[in-house]
Amino acid sequence: AQKVTQAQTEISVVEKEDVTLDCVYETRDTTYYLFWYKQPPSGELVFLIRRNSFDEQNEISGRYSWNFQKSTSSFNFTITASQVVDSAVYFCAASNTGNQFYFGTGTSLTVIP
Amino acid sequence: GAGVSQTPSNKVTEKGKYVELRCDPISGHTALYWYRQSLGQGPEFLIYFQGTGAADDSGLPNDRFFAVRPEGSVSTLKIQRTERGDSAVYLCASSPLAVNTGELFFGEGSRLTVL
Repeated sequence: AQKVTQAQTEISVVEKEDVTLDCVYETRDTTYYLFWYKQPPSGELVFLIRRNSFDEQNEISGRYSWNFQKSTSSFNFTITASQVVDSAVYFCAASNTGNQFYFGTGTSLTVIP
Repeated sequence: GAGVSQTPSNKVTEKGKYVELRCDPISGHTALYWYRQSLGQGPEFLIYFQGTGAADDSGLPNDRFFAVRPEGSVSTLKIQRTERGDSAVYLCASSPLAVNTGELFFGEGSRLTVL
């Protein structure tokens, strides 16, 4: 089983600021997958990214970037130049090659205009 | 529709009643999941279907909870003798992959309130 910890419960930033959401995971598996999901007020979780345990390359997608470090068991998510539309709850999740996704408790991000 | 559809979006019931929540996954998706999300928490796994069979039901909290997917498409989550602690948002997700290491497509959830 995996465990995912998102220590930041709530974050508020002013629009255009950068913000990093932290995620720490625990697993005994050598093969595992890490994910970030966004949950806007509508409630529908939206997939953002998946990384597997063998690929530690950081990834950038537009204003989003992810930093995966196995040495610290972290998979942090940075939003550059935040916008009001980024306001949502963000969940980090982990999965092994099985069928269960383990979600963290989420970080609620508020971007203030 | 193009996405995962869940009905009802809201359900208020009294303690002890029976409830059914329906999930209509994306067409062609073989994998279907039910999760439960309590206020301020992340989604908690309940059950996973691959086709018609429940491949993993280890997350169901007790025998009052049951889910079916008789034709490998629509799924129904059934809760008997509801308790106040069952109040939560029940999320359904589907995936096109047989072994799910990919992304899940979630519905907007069914909010269950047990009075």
